[in-house]
Amino acid sequence: QAVVTQEPSLTVSPGGTVTLTCGSTTGAVTSGHYPFWFQQKPGQAPRALIYDTSSKHSWTPARFSGSLLGGKAALTLSGAQPEDEAEYYCLLSYGGAFTVFGGGTQLTVL
Amino acid sequence: EVQMLESGGGSVQPGGSLRLSCAASGFTFSNYGMAWVRQAPGKGLEWVSAISGSGANTIYTDSVKGRFTVSRDNSANTLYLQMNSLRAEDTAVYYCAKDQWIRETTIITPDYWGQGTLVTVSS
Repeated sequence: QAVVTQEPSLTVSPGGTVTLTCGSTTGAVTSGHYPFWFQQKPGQAPRALIYDTSSKHSWTPARFSGSLLGGKAALTLSGAQPEDEAEYYCLLSYGGAFTVFGGGTQLTVL
Repeated sequence: EVQMLESGGGSVQPGGSLRLSCAASGFTFSNYGMAWVRQAPGKGLEWVSAISGSGANTIYTDSVKGRFTVSRDNSANTLYLQMNSLRAEDTAVYYCAKDQWIRETTIITPDYWGQGTLVTVSS
């Protein structure tokens, strides 16, 4: 089964920009994997941010954007806020029974 | 407003059983596939099971096959997870999640999640 890879941790300064990536052990991530991104804060349920690579939900802050970058899915946060400190998970579709979650990236705003 | 509220979690001994419920509102429940996703303490997200909108199709992750059963009552807008023969490694917060799209499928891409219910399996 494919493994979805994410950076274990990243740090960004308040107001700064950071890019989280989501890779696949099967090769390049494409739009056909329909990349999803979720945010999870401690003690809370995950919240969907991005679907189908770059589409935003109505509740997704404008400072978050999704793209494909260098064979991976990417989540870019521009103008980080303290409330953006959280765990971020990506999700990829492989056409199988289940989609596959990445292991998560702990983002620190410091 | 879409809302999903899980219940039924608790502490149980190994080999015991629990039935989780997820009461949904704010959308046409029967139109959407639903899933159970769990998160062990300090760990990442793991699919457990999914069910299509009609309830005709279900899938399970290998570690729970034969022990867990997912079902739904579309007249009551409720999703269930019957968990039998529980093991210590089933200890986790269990979330119900709604598929984003109106389609008859068990391949769930979630947009809304419940707040979760904690299942602890320990002697």
